[in-house]
Amino acid sequence: QSVLTQPPSVSGAPGQRVTISCTGNIFNIGAGYDVHWYQQLPGTAPKVLISDTKNRPSGVPDRFSGSKSGTSASLAITGLQAEDEADYYCQSYDSDLSVSVFGGGTKLSVL
Amino acid sequence: EVQLVQSGAEVKKPGESLKIACKGSGYSFSDYWIGWVRQMPGKGLELMGIISAGYSQTKYSPAFQGQVTISADKSIGTAYLQWRSLKASDTAIYYCARQGEWLAPFDVWGRGTLVTVST
Repeated sequence: QSVLTQPPSVSGAPGQRVTISCTGNIFNIGAGYDVHWYQQLPGTAPKVLISDTKNRPSGVPDRFSGSKSGTSASLAITGLQAEDEADYYCQSYDSDLSVSVFGGGTKLSVL
Repeated sequence: EVQLVQSGAEVKKPGESLKIACKGSGYSFSDYWIGWVRQMPGKGLELMGIISAGYSQTKYSPAFQGQVTISADKSIGTAYLQWRSLKASDTAIYYCARQGEWLAPFDVWGRGTLVTVST
């Protein structure tokens, strides 16, 4: 059981907007540590999608955006496309555990 | 091209030892951290621990402390993940990933090493 909680699954139709939440506590997101988001397509290694809460690495479409408020962070995907169907993970540092942790992951289905 | 190349798939029996490798290329290996991430079949990502490739300073996640050993040889640009006695529950894909600074994201990933532990 990760200290970062994500919904197991979300879904949306092509073109729609979806959000994936990542809920932490006062030792991680609530302590001000940045959140990173990763996309893992089936059968491949994860790839960083959002770094430092809201920054998109080069090559990541601007349909993906990140935000944070209090003890939670969110990944938003607009203009949903079939190729976005993947697992998404948040990551942050936890000062109680003294290591970075991943959220449990969210499977995005594009209907 | 910056890349992490991992060693090939392994099939082992319970109780056997194992050391898998992750070789960095295309960048200054010693300037980065390397993390090891476990993904059990059908499950999520778990950070096992990280190592500063230049100084071999390690930090283990509590669940993996004492269960595995992470090491690095900067002279050949390679990080390692080692088990002394494998269990069936160690069956998983193990990824290595590069981290630029403390708390930075893992920006480059290896393709993963599948470890299967079975009688």
